[in-house]
Amino acid sequence: EAGVTQFPSHSVIEKGQTVTLRCDPISGHDNLYWYRRVMGKEIKFLLHFVKESKQDESGMPNNRFLAERTGGTYSTLKVQPAELEDSGVYFCASSDRMNEKLFFGSGTQLSVL
Amino acid sequence: GQNIDQPTEMTATEGAIVQINCTYQTSGFNGLFWYQQHAGEAPTFLSYNVLDGLEEKGRFSSFLSRSKGYSYLLLKELQMKDSASYLCAVRDRGYSTLTFGKGTMLLVSP
Repeated sequence: EAGVTQFPSHSVIEKGQTVTLRCDPISGHDNLYWYRRVMGKEIKFLLHFVKESKQDESGMPNNRFLAERTGGTYSTLKVQPAELEDSGVYFCASSDRMNEKLFFGSGTQLSVL
Repeated sequence: GQNIDQPTEMTATEGAIVQINCTYQTSGFNGLFWYQQHAGEAPTFLSYNVLDGLEEKGRFSSFLSRSKGYSYLLLKELQMKDSASYLCAVRDRGYSTLTFGKGTMLLVSP
């Protein structure tokens, strides 16, 4: 069974540019989460989808971040325009309806220069 | 507010036993998770405790005391491949999201 996959694994962009991160959850998992780890800090929650609906987006930093999950399958996280403080590792995770165990992807390392 | 504390770094010798502690203060509690993360890889699930007591799974065990806001991860018969970051995370009551500690970097030496 394929795990959670994220693309790209690394992205280097300049301040002001746009970047779109993609996450493919484990097939059949209704719950999809985005988390972020800024250097030196803990992993922090960004938002939670149940199928295609946003269940909780309280962790989104500001309106430069837009997450979508059309069709309830894969999800994208767009940062527009990117700022220096957006640099970090963006993790995606998914879980089934029982929701006890989160399976994480390897993350996207985003560097904004 | 949410606060999860764990040591930043620990070192141990191959074959030994190590205990990684985690204390938490959260607005709610609906389970505590331990994850292992090797550099550049995905955090992988190790254990889940929702009731007080010890959960044993092979070389790894996890303990929870809800009244003390305390958990530990016990690793036995340490192997070099156990060198990794160990993340403690709490799920608040009513939410499915996790609040993470900063992680404990464990270095296992020969």
